[in-house]
Amino acid sequence: DGGITQSPKYLFRKEGQNVTLSCEQNLNHDAMYWYRQDPGQGLRLIYYSQIVNDFQKGDIAEGYSVSREKKESFPLTVTSAQKNPTAFYLCASSIFDGNQPQHFGDGTRLSIL
Amino acid sequence: AQSVTQLDSQVPVFEEAPVELRCNYSSSVSVYLFWYVQYPNQGLQLLLKYLSGSTLVKGINGFEAEFNKSQTSFHLRKPSVHISDTAEYFCAVTDQAGTALIFGKGTTLSVSS
Repeated sequence: DGGITQSPKYLFRKEGQNVTLSCEQNLNHDAMYWYRQDPGQGLRLIYYSQIVNDFQKGDIAEGYSVSREKKESFPLTVTSAQKNPTAFYLCASSIFDGNQPQHFGDGTRLSIL
Repeated sequence: AQSVTQLDSQVPVFEEAPVELRCNYSSSVSVYLFWYVQYPNQGLQLLLKYLSGSTLVKGINGFEAEFNKSQTSFHLRKPSVHISDTAEYFCAVTDQAGTALIFGKGTTLSVSS
């Protein structure tokens, strides 16, 4: 079945440590997205990518970095510069067309040790 | 800039009662509108979408929504809810550029017997 796989489901970060969240899709979608979800805040866009080797900052990109070396993969690195990283992170993908919905993975919950 | 306001953060209802989850949006351009559902510790699942045409949109699980351009609203309704409908519901809007979704802060629907 086609879909989006996020791993790991739970992740713990120590102070000063960078961690990378994985997102893989086999839907042949061009666009991929990373959102951060905090209780009562809805989803906020971190980064998005519309084609391989290109990506744009979203509303809350500070302290995060991404890469898009392959169409299927869009990993997110939470750097030590992100002072409040505890959140639920969601990856999504869509056909690059403004009227198509986004498909979501099951998320990664990141916590600070 | 576009924005989405979900007017109720929590909606408690009894099983088999009707429910309406309210969503207002602001945009200076034509929009596409979506409703998503999120069950605990999972990603988002598309309920329905409005792209154009009929203002009454039917989705999965018996939900429907009505697009009202003059009131800039896209309220979600279900005539009779089940316990299994307990979840968080998100309204979202995108513009025709289709670069990303803008989400409301969510409405928690709690269905009790």
